[in-house]
Amino acid sequence: QVQLVESGGGVVQPGRSLRLSCQASGFQLSTFGMHWVRQAPGKGVEWVATIWFDGTNIYYADSVKGRFTISKDNSKNTLYLQMNSLRAEDSAVYFCAREGYGGPFDFWGQGTQVTVSS
Amino acid sequence: EIVMTQSPATLSVSPGERATLSCRASQSVSNNLAWFQHKPGQAPRLLVYGASIRASGIPARFSGSGSGTEFTLTISSLQSEDFAVYYCQQYNDWTFGQGTKVEAK
Repeated sequence: QVQLVESGGGVVQPGRSLRLSCQASGFQLSTFGMHWVRQAPGKGVEWVATIWFDGTNIYYADSVKGRFTISKDNSKNTLYLQMNSLRAEDSAVYFCAREGYGGPFDFWGQGTQVTVSS
Repeated sequence: EIVMTQSPATLSVSPGERATLSCRASQSVSNNLAWFQHKPGQAPRLLVYGASIRASGIPARFSGSGSGTEFTLTISSLQSEDFAVYYCQQYNDWTFGQGTKVEAK
């Protein structure tokens, strides 16, 4: 069955970097668009980044543009989020999600916690 | 950016009662609207997409309606396992509502 498992979260100082991973199973990343979404404590859910199934199009939220990079390795069936120049406001639980046919996010991971603090 | 507004923020319901959750978009999203259920520590679960299509495996007590800017998620007879936070999301450019927490009365 479809499963998404995030990893790589942790506590990091402001200005440092972190790379999140999302291991997919039960389907091929090469055939689905993928997203990163985050939820800060007590806040709503915020879309972060998207990569199309074929990698030809990538989009970012304005809040992370120029600092975060979404990528994937189809051979490892793994999605990544490279986060640079981290800020306190980037602290959140980060989820990866699959974009199903027609656009809805049909499967999500359980999330990985990122805390940016000195 | 399309802003999604959910109401109420919190809904207190007894098991067996009907729960009605609302979601409004700042501009038309056609029927590109999904509803999710989220419990602490778990992966969000897709309930409805296309505004009114139940996702695979979702019980019939969950139903979605609406189009354009006004949407509703109805839980016809609330079960204990339905206490959670519910989010709407438009997937034209991927913005979410702030969520409605369904709690026990």
